[in-house]
Amino acid sequence: AQSVTQLDSQVPVFEEAPVELRCNYSSSVSVYLFWYVQYPNQGLQLLLKYLSGSTLVKGINGFEAEFNKSQTSFHLRKPSVHISDTAEYFCAVSDQWAAGNKLTFGGGTRVLVKP
Amino acid sequence: DTAVSQTPKYLVTQMGNDKSIKCEQNLGHDTMYWYKQDSKKFLKIMFSYNNKELIINETVPNRFSPKSPDKAHLNLHINSLELGDSAVYFCASSETGLARRDRYEQFFGPGTRLTVL
Repeated sequence: AQSVTQLDSQVPVFEEAPVELRCNYSSSVSVYLFWYVQYPNQGLQLLLKYLSGSTLVKGINGFEAEFNKSQTSFHLRKPSVHISDTAEYFCAVSDQWAAGNKLTFGGGTRVLVKP
Repeated sequence: DTAVSQTPKYLVTQMGNDKSIKCEQNLGHDTMYWYKQDSKKFLKIMFSYNNKELIINETVPNRFSPKSPDKAHLNLHINSLELGDSAVYFCASSETGLARRDRYEQFFGPGTRLTVL
């Protein structure tokens, strides 16, 4: 079984400032890692994913994340945020070997970008 | 050309009623899912179907019954609705085929907000 912890439930940040959203996971097996964004009253959209290879993953909208196996972390970063980045962000993992490919989500981090 | 669509978007009903939510994907994916998002935004898997076969059935009350008539559709029927069923229900789909670049990416529908009064 896996679990995902997003250490910050809310992150206020000023426009054009950098932001980092922290994600740690626990799993007894190898996992795939994902970050999703949910804008108000919408579904989830994939920002980026880590399956294998380079531990630095670049995604859409200027986001990137780094997989750190020893620290079981997958933190998300953006060097300069926009007002439009105000949303809920979810970190998720899936078991590489289990049938069904279900996602286990963290509790979410609400990012509020202030002008 | 919506990838994953759900109907209805909003559903308000009384306790004890039976209701259904429909989901369709036009991405050609082989796997579909239902997730529940509670009032605190926590997301949890409920069911997963691969090629019309149920492969994930988490701890969900028997009142919830998924049905997949074909690979492109996964419906959710809920009997005897309770107050605690109020949530946003998301359908998603993905492809597990080895040749696909988007393998393992789950594409989500817009959600159905269910309110039980």
